[in-house]
Amino acid sequence: DTTVKQNPRYKLARVGKPVNLICSQTMNHDTMYWYQKKPNQAPKLLLFYYDKILNREADTFEKFQSSRPNNSFCSLYIGSAGLEYSAMYLCASSRAGHISNERLFFGHGTKLSVL
Amino acid sequence: GDSVTQTEGQVTVSESKSLIINCTYSATSIGYPNLFWYVRYPGEGLQLLLKVITAGQKGSSRGFEATYNKEATSFHLQKASVQESDSAVYYCALSRSSNTNKVVFGTGTRLQVLP
Repeated sequence: DTTVKQNPRYKLARVGKPVNLICSQTMNHDTMYWYQKKPNQAPKLLLFYYDKILNREADTFEKFQSSRPNNSFCSLYIGSAGLEYSAMYLCASSRAGHISNERLFFGHGTKLSVL
Repeated sequence: GDSVTQTEGQVTVSESKSLIINCTYSATSIGYPNLFWYVRYPGEGLQLLLKVITAGQKGSSRGFEATYNKEATSFHLQKASVQESDSAVYYCALSRSSNTNKVVFGTGTRLQVLP
């Protein structure tokens, strides 16, 4: 089963409220990623877990948190949602995250709308 | 930092005609990056179409081809005869040849194939 699952597919959030997005994979991949995708923009890497080590991108360091309680699950947490967080959030996984040419496996994404 | 440029946001082609989707890259790190094409078919998640990790080589999949041109820093996607089922969004991407698998994407090109 080469799938990455994301829940929910659509999420509505209020400004100032927290948001938690969930991702799972059953491929025993050591690395899981979160990307943010806005219309007409490139998918932007937010952070990734290589095994138990969290790596957050410098320009979004304070905006997003994540946890990985086990190899299969990874969450993306927004402490206080703002309108600018409205986007599609893509979860991906890969094996051998320390090797730069491994393919990424993506979920369908969660579309977050902040009102 | 590294970047990928796709100049066409949308391309419309008639079925059985040829296709070129342009991609150029800029990689600031030492050495040559790995290059990828990912595709998102309607209703599906992003998936790898092809990759090339050696400059000068060509990758191919599902009738699509792309050649890694390090002199022109290009990785254009081509197909001799498109089908309606090729309608999708195509993303050019790169990763550095280092010890992480961070992938940088372009903004994507939506291909519409007319019957």
